[in-house]
Amino acid sequence: DSGVTQTPKHLITATGQRVTLRCSPRSGDLSVYWYQQSLDQGLQFLIQYYNGEERAKGNILERFSAQQFPDLHSELNLSSLELGDSALYFCASSGAGQETQYFGPGTRLLVL
Amino acid sequence: QKEVEQDPGPLSVPEGAIVSLNCTYSNSAFQYFMWYRQYSRKGPELLMYTYSSGNKEDGRFTAQVDKSSKYISLFIRDSQPSDSATYLCAIREGGADGLTFGKGTHLIIQP
Repeated sequence: DSGVTQTPKHLITATGQRVTLRCSPRSGDLSVYWYQQSLDQGLQFLIQYYNGEERAKGNILERFSAQQFPDLHSELNLSSLELGDSALYFCASSGAGQETQYFGPGTRLLVL
Repeated sequence: QKEVEQDPGPLSVPEGAIVSLNCTYSNSAFQYFMWYRQYSRKGPELLMYTYSSGNKEDGRFTAQVDKSSKYISLFIRDSQPSDSATYLCAIREGGADGLTFGKGTHLIIQP
């Protein structure tokens, strides 16, 4: 158990809908990262937050957004969902040195 | 050319064999090198982390980085059926960066 928690574990929704994925980092970690894992693209970095502020952006679509709250938990919002957004979404966290990232169990999203 | 190349396998070896997993990368700015293990439908689990060229050993696992060749390796000694998983290399430039992952190698250890 990495200490990173994610909810929900599974999510099934329809095209055009909006969903919110939640992540709680390891105790004491200030950085939260979001990744998307699909069969064709592999694991891809989406966005990073550090202590409430956006720190780095990867291949995140404009339909996706994230935020980190004062208690350090983070939410990833996915809107106008398309079939191609079906994937595993992982959250990772790291400490002050940001050298290593520990991953949560993921949320499996299925868009029908 | 993708930033990180990794043979997807599957790689099937008998129990007790030495396993060699490899990645190549193109960006010489990469400084931090990691190996993750991922079981089916689970989150990636950090196995090894290295910063510079050279070897790092942890139990049955050895990570090797050759920055001049842009080549990283993970060796698993005395492989066990429980080592059957997908192994992902991950690389980072530094600072506040997300990780760049290889596609992963699916490893099967035959009892």
